[in-house]
Amino acid sequence: GAVVSQHPSWVICKSGTSVKIECRSLDFQATTMFWYRQFPKQSLMLMATSNEGSKATYEQGVEKDKFLINHASLTLSTLTVTSAHPEDSSFYICSAIRADRSAVEQFFGPGTRLTVL
Amino acid sequence: DQQVKQNSPSLSVQEGRISILNCDYTNSMFDYFLWYKKYPAEGPTFLISISSIKDKNEDGRFTVFLNKSAKHLSLHIVPSQPGDSAVYFCAASASGGTSYGKLTFGQGTILTVHP
Repeated sequence: GAVVSQHPSWVICKSGTSVKIECRSLDFQATTMFWYRQFPKQSLMLMATSNEGSKATYEQGVEKDKFLINHASLTLSTLTVTSAHPEDSSFYICSAIRADRSAVEQFFGPGTRLTVL
Repeated sequence: DQQVKQNSPSLSVQEGRISILNCDYTNSMFDYFLWYKKYPAEGPTFLISISSIKDKNEDGRFTVFLNKSAKHLSLHIVPSQPGDSAVYFCAASASGGTSYGKLTFGQGTILTVHP
């Protein structure tokens, strides 16, 4: 199966700092990647859709100026949490759609645990 | 507004028996449904999917049933194994337009299979 990696796997930062999370498709090209967040014992909530070469589209209620998304290449999307606050502490997961397959073939990364002190 | 619901937070099953996980949805635009398995601090792993044009899809020990009129789907695992113990998420997708590829997840059901 296709592999999606995330880096870092966990990060602890101080309130007010910015944190960048990378999502890479290791063995396939991904024209579209998605960013989700999951709070403890809750479902995965879609935050935004990241398209290579164009601006990300954000779900209702997600602040685009706070969660900056850049899809720099067909294998890399980054999520930057700007001016992080404790309420941003969560588990962030990305997924990728293979450029040569249907959307149902969506592969998830292992997730990044963000803790804001 | 929870468009995909998994009303059972947990399920406990004896090894060798059948596990049945249920999922309900409200959005009539959903036309593709997926089940994922997830361990803590890991990303979801795809298990099985079903298109709205079908009412059953089978893959080894996993079978998904779809009842469109009831907006209900279920995942059957038989026989259940201790290694199946994990959180199971139901997800739904609407294939058209701007919804392409977007998944709406249920809350998850914790399955525990006892030896």
